[in-house]
Amino acid sequence: DTAVSQTPKYLVTQMGNDKSIKCEQNLGHDTMYWYKQDSKKFLKIMFSYNNKELIINETVPNRFSPKSPDKAHLNLHINSLELGDSAVYFCASSQGGGPGGWMGEQYFGPGTRLTVT
Amino acid sequence: GENVEQHPSTLSVQEGDSAVIKCTYSDSASNYFPWYKQELGKGPQLIIDIRSNVGEKKDQRIAVTLNKTAKHFSLHITETQPEDSAVYFCAASTSYGQNFVFGPGTRLSVLP
Repeated sequence: DTAVSQTPKYLVTQMGNDKSIKCEQNLGHDTMYWYKQDSKKFLKIMFSYNNKELIINETVPNRFSPKSPDKAHLNLHINSLELGDSAVYFCASSQGGGPGGWMGEQYFGPGTRLTVT
Repeated sequence: GENVEQHPSTLSVQEGDSAVIKCTYSDSASNYFPWYKQELGKGPQLIIDIRSNVGEKKDQRIAVTLNKTAKHFSLHITETQPEDSAVYFCAASTSYGQNFVFGPGTRLSVLP
């Protein structure tokens, strides 16, 4: 009974391609996140959505575009992939995290390892 | 914005010994300090957290201490076991998730 799931688990693609990573949570949480983990294991938040609204939008190239069709899903679309985009991307969710609301524990998905060649 | 430093970057201990990981943060507005454990090939998992109105919190073999004046907090693991081997991340944020920043991580190895 997976709480936060991501597809695909592995993604190998060439520079210049466009790709998407999908994320779904079945916890009934209001907030979802995307994180990037580089080769040195450093975790950095990219985006967060609360009830389908963008809350956090860190300094990320505009080639990255999150889309939240409903509060259980947050997909990440990446245009014109570059070598530096190679990393593990984690989706996460939390009960709160909207403006003025207590965030609570974040639950992470298993990650998507993106390799750009 | 928030900046979180974490030390040491790697830590090896003998099974049964204690392990301590220390973090410092820069933003005095931060009031939520979680610790996450990441096993190989998996996503991070919360193991303990503390809010700024509490100085210490314990859960079985794991404890976290917070010194808000000095802006540092620490993770203590007692009676370490091989299954404690993983990468541990501290983090800091406001209670509603603004400026949520992870530390760079500590790779803990527990040697049998």
